[in-house]
Amino acid sequence: LQLQESGPGLVKPSETLSLTCNVSGDFITSSGYFWGWIRQPPGKGLEWIGSLYYSDNTDYSPSLKSRVTISVDTSKNQFSLMLTSATAADTAVYYCARQVTGPTDPFDVWGPGTMITVSS
Amino acid sequence: SYELTQPPSVSVSPGQTASITCSGPKLGEKYISWYQKKPGQSPLLVISHDTKRPSGIPERFSGSNSGNAATLTISGTQPMDEADYYCQAWDSGALVFGGGTKLTVL
Repeated sequence: LQLQESGPGLVKPSETLSLTCNVSGDFITSSGYFWGWIRQPPGKGLEWIGSLYYSDNTDYSPSLKSRVTISVDTSKNQFSLMLTSATAADTAVYYCARQVTGPTDPFDVWGPGTMITVSS
Repeated sequence: SYELTQPPSVSVSPGQTASITCSGPKLGEKYISWYQKKPGQSPLLVISHDTKRPSGIPERFSGSNSGNAATLTISGTQPMDEADYYCQAWDSGALVFGGGTKLTVL
């Protein structure tokens, strides 16, 4: 199983940050797997953004819930992150990752990460 | 919201035992996982469900969890173990990471 994030690299303040995670080596619809987004701002720790199951079960960080949408495209075997009203505080390395049996599980497979900078 | 507290830094000599703690209210009632994070690399799961080592993780990594604290123990610490370590738990519908501990091997 391999995960690969893709995104614009640079996002302007107030715009929507959009990222995609391509899943290869297994089906995103495989039974029990949850798929999540995590970020790490420069010099800071890891922050969970949210997780989803392919059949529309999603959980979001309370601190980001009002701005975040995580969705899945089973036909492309990928899932996506949208974060609205971006600010400099959203500048971070963004990772996608897999949870084996549910949102309470640890992330056992991670993508390499993609750096997103929010700046004008 | 639930918070996990870790010491900012821990130092250990090569070959000695390193212990990194993670504390939170009634933490022993939750499952804890631990990740190793090196600069420029993705996090690596080293302990899941309090004590389980994923395939490929050396036996020198072990975990425990009871009461209000969990501990990641690295026996016979090697220079390659120098990294940031994060604990993680789930509480009330949210996944939480600790603030991270920088392990220095010197």
